[in-house]
Amino acid sequence: LAKTTQPISMDSYEGQEVNITCSHNNIATNDYITWYQQFPSQGPRFIIQGYKTKVTNEVASLFIPADRKSSTLSLPRVSLSDTAVYYCLVGDGGTGFQKLVFGTGTRLLVSP
Amino acid sequence: DAGVTQSPTHLIKTRGQQVTLRCSPKSGHDTVSWYQQALGQGPQFIFQYYEEEERQRGNFPDRFSGHQFPNYSSELNVNALLLGDSALYLCASSLELGGSEQYFGPGTRLTVT
Repeated sequence: LAKTTQPISMDSYEGQEVNITCSHNNIATNDYITWYQQFPSQGPRFIIQGYKTKVTNEVASLFIPADRKSSTLSLPRVSLSDTAVYYCLVGDGGTGFQKLVFGTGTRLLVSP
Repeated sequence: DAGVTQSPTHLIKTRGQQVTLRCSPKSGHDTVSWYQQALGQGPQFIFQYYEEEERQRGNFPDRFSGHQFPNYSSELNVNALLLGDSALYLCASSLELGGSEQYFGPGTRLTVT
């Protein structure tokens, strides 16, 4: 399973767009990129998953360049409730994600 | 549609004791995974159960064991508790053929004194 590297923490203000970049230099051809969000004392929650280019859902967008060695989670117009830890995970669509490998994640703090 | 539920919410045990944690998967899910999350760290995979068998296991000692029942619910057992076993224990459920999204429960906070 490819190792991921993310910033330890980020600060933002309400209403701003937040971009969290994840590095995964050893990503394999079959690997997908998935982001989870975790609030204190809760289990992680699936946000978005992608393979290449751009994926968008009602919560976030995921940008993946052609070489797929990095990815960027974009949160539009964050609010205080977006304060959480965000994890980037890489694994293949089959067995790779049956054993999720979490790093230490990025702690996002949104201030008024 | 009930999500993943875990019990108990909190638990305090003494070193050397044994503990059993319980998990009910999201309705319709047939696969259950367990994770241990120490304070300030990301969750670490313990093992996964499907069709009542352990399918994958992380780097955890044999003191950690589990079980899955015919109704897909699961238990995590930890024997000979150590102080280092204090953590949030998370259960996640998924579909065997449903892709990679796993749904996590709220966790059980275990404190070993």
